[in-house]
Amino acid sequence: DAEITQSPRHKITETGRQVTLACHQTWNHNNMFWYRQDLGHGLRLIHYSYGVQDTNKGEVSDGYSVSRSNTEDLPLTLESAASSQTSVYFCASSLDRGSPINEQFFGPGTRLTVL
Amino acid sequence: DQQVKQNSPSLSVQEGRISILNCDYTNSMFDYFLWYKKYPAEGPTFLISISSIKDKNEDGRFTVFLNKSAKHLSLHIVPSQPGDSAVYFCAASVGYGGSQGNLIFGKGTKLSVKP
Repeated sequence: DAEITQSPRHKITETGRQVTLACHQTWNHNNMFWYRQDLGHGLRLIHYSYGVQDTNKGEVSDGYSVSRSNTEDLPLTLESAASSQTSVYFCASSLDRGSPINEQFFGPGTRLTVL
Repeated sequence: DQQVKQNSPSLSVQEGRISILNCDYTNSMFDYFLWYKKYPAEGPTFLISISSIKDKNEDGRFTVFLNKSAKHLSLHIVPSQPGDSAVYFCAASVGYGGSQGNLIFGKGTKLSVKP
């Protein structure tokens, strides 16, 4: 069955360290997204990609970067982790732009704690 | 500025009764709306959607109503069941058919259905 996975599921790191969160989908979707969920803020878009080699900034992109070298993966990198980046991170994917369906499918999430 | 608003952070309902979750939006360009359900420690899952050409969409116990003139949509769950207890997110997109691919999420409403 097609799916979207995230790893690790839990991560504790220290301030200033570089951290990479993995996202892998087997839906063959062109669109991939990274969100963070914080109490009182809901889901906020960090970065997104509409296809290989395409990346775009979302609402809260400062301190994060992504790269898209293939269809299946969109890793999220925190260049220098800060305590304000403690959050739950969700990856999602959807079909192409222009598709009649733009439902996004979400991964199980990664809980990141920055000490 | 929040484009999608869920003004009730929480809602408590008795089992068997109707649950009504509300969502308001400000961007008149939104023309596709979705509801997601999220259980603790899981990713959000798609529940039901509606395009702006409709004012109602029904799927089993779940019905979404759209009032474009009021920029308001609501999700009705009838009858409510304890398993419906979760956080519900309203989301909106520009361009029916996913021409943008991006969703804007509200902050969520936590529904508790009591036996």
